[in-house]
Amino acid sequence: QSALTQPASVSGSPGQSITISCTGTSSDVGGYNYVSWYQQHPGKAPKLMIYEVTNRPSGVSNRFSGSKSGNTASLTISGLQADDEADYYCSSFAVTTTVFGGGTKLTVL
Amino acid sequence: EVQVVESGGGLVQPGGSLRLSCAASGFTFSSYAMSWVRQAPGKGLEWVSGISGSGDSTYYAESVKGRFTISRDNSKNTLYVQMNSLRAEDTAIYYCAKDMRQFVRTLDQWGQGTLVTVSS
Repeated sequence: QSALTQPASVSGSPGQSITISCTGTSSDVGGYNYVSWYQQHPGKAPKLMIYEVTNRPSGVSNRFSGSKSGNTASLTISGLQADDEADYYCSSFAVTTTVFGGGTKLTVL
Repeated sequence: EVQVVESGGGLVQPGGSLRLSCAASGFTFSSYAMSWVRQAPGKGLEWVSGISGSGDSTYYAESVKGRFTISRDNSKNTLYVQMNSLRAEDTAIYYCAKDMRQFVRTLDQWGQGTLVTVSS
C-alpha cells in the first residue's frame, strides 16, 4: 500500500486560509469515509484534528475543516494563527491496513 | 482522563528483538482497537500494526509482516508489540494509539512514544 500524496509544504499569513490536499486511490481515500487529519508540533505526539472526512473531535477549533472529492481529501484551516504552524498528516483506512500521507509542513508567515 | 503510555524502547543490535508495551487507562480498553505507529528520525508517520478490541483481528504493514507481532491483554489494559529480526530501518519513535472504534479506523489518542534504535 503506497503512502498518500501530500504537498511537502504550504504557507500562509495570519488570518488567511490554506488548504492541504491528500491524494490516494479508490482502495483507500476514494473508497471509504475514514479519512483523518493529524497535527504534529515538533517533538510532540500527533493530535487528531479531523476524522471520518469532515468531523472535528471535541476541543478542536472550528477553523479546521475537512472534505473529500473522489480520491482526494482536503484539510482547510481558516483564520491562520501562529500556533497552527506544524506538520499535518492525512491517513485513510484501507481494509487490512491504514495508510498515512507523507506530511505537509505548514509555515505561518 | 484517557492515557496511553509506551515503554520498552532502547538500543538493540541488528537481528535482535524487543518488546514494547503500552499501558492504557481512563477508558474501557477492550472496547477499542489499538495501533502502533512509528516515526523515523526526521521522517513522517508510518502505521505499523493494529488490533481489534477483542484481539481477534490483527493487521500489519508489509514492512513488518512476519517480523512483528501485535497482541493485547485486556485484563491488564496493556498493548504489546513483539519485534524480531530488527533492522536499522526500524529505528524510530514508536507511538501507541487508541482507536475511536472496535476496529482499526481512526486514532484519537496517542502516547508520547518510545524510541527504538537498531544499531551495532
